[in-house]
Amino acid sequence: QVQLKESGPGLVQPSQTLSLTCTVSGFSLTSNSVHWVRQPPGKGLEWVGAIWSGGSTDYNSALKSRLSISRDTSKSQVFLKMNSLQTEDTAIYFCTRSGVRVMDAWGQGASVTVSS
Amino acid sequence: DIQMTQSPSFLSASVGDRVTINCKASQNINRYLNWYQQKLGEAPKLLIYNANSLQTGIPSRFSGSGSGTDFTLTISSLQPEDVATYFCLQHNSWPTFGAGTKLELK
Repeated sequence: QVQLKESGPGLVQPSQTLSLTCTVSGFSLTSNSVHWVRQPPGKGLEWVGAIWSGGSTDYNSALKSRLSISRDTSKSQVFLKMNSLQTEDTAIYFCTRSGVRVMDAWGQGASVTVSS
Repeated sequence: DIQMTQSPSFLSASVGDRVTINCKASQNINRYLNWYQQKLGEAPKLLIYNANSLQTGIPSRFSGSGSGTDFTLTISSLQPEDVATYFCLQHNSWPTFGAGTKLELK
């Protein structure tokens, strides 16, 4: 059964770095890509970035300078790091798998609040 | 970036009604469009992929149509468990999403 689960701190101080982990099961990171998507309160979904099956990455151009996505295939984990956080980064952060179908399985999401 | 304009933002319908939700792309995205259902506090669920293909396990009352710039999600006979927010995703280029349609029972 395909599963993804996000984890990380619920609260981050402004200007600090956000670190999130997506732990997956039921599929291989070397044959599927994982995307990060976020949803600010009351707003629509925004693609954050992706790590492809071969390990290369792509990022939303608006976030690229602050963003890093990596993975540990031995642990079936994907990592998101975003620095210089501002209140506008407050959102639910989802990880989602793309394999044969684009974004066909999603985690429950991790709520992140940027506040002092 | 490709902009996705989704309508309506809010929809109230009765059990058994035929419901349609639309997404319009700012440029041609061929058939690279997915539809999702998201219930409060749950992960989004893929309903339709590549504009008109029903995801495994999804009831046949859900269907998708369209190509190019105009797409429609149809629920042929609304059921109480269909109350949710629905959104579209284009994946012809860097992914972008529609703003969502909140569907409620009348």
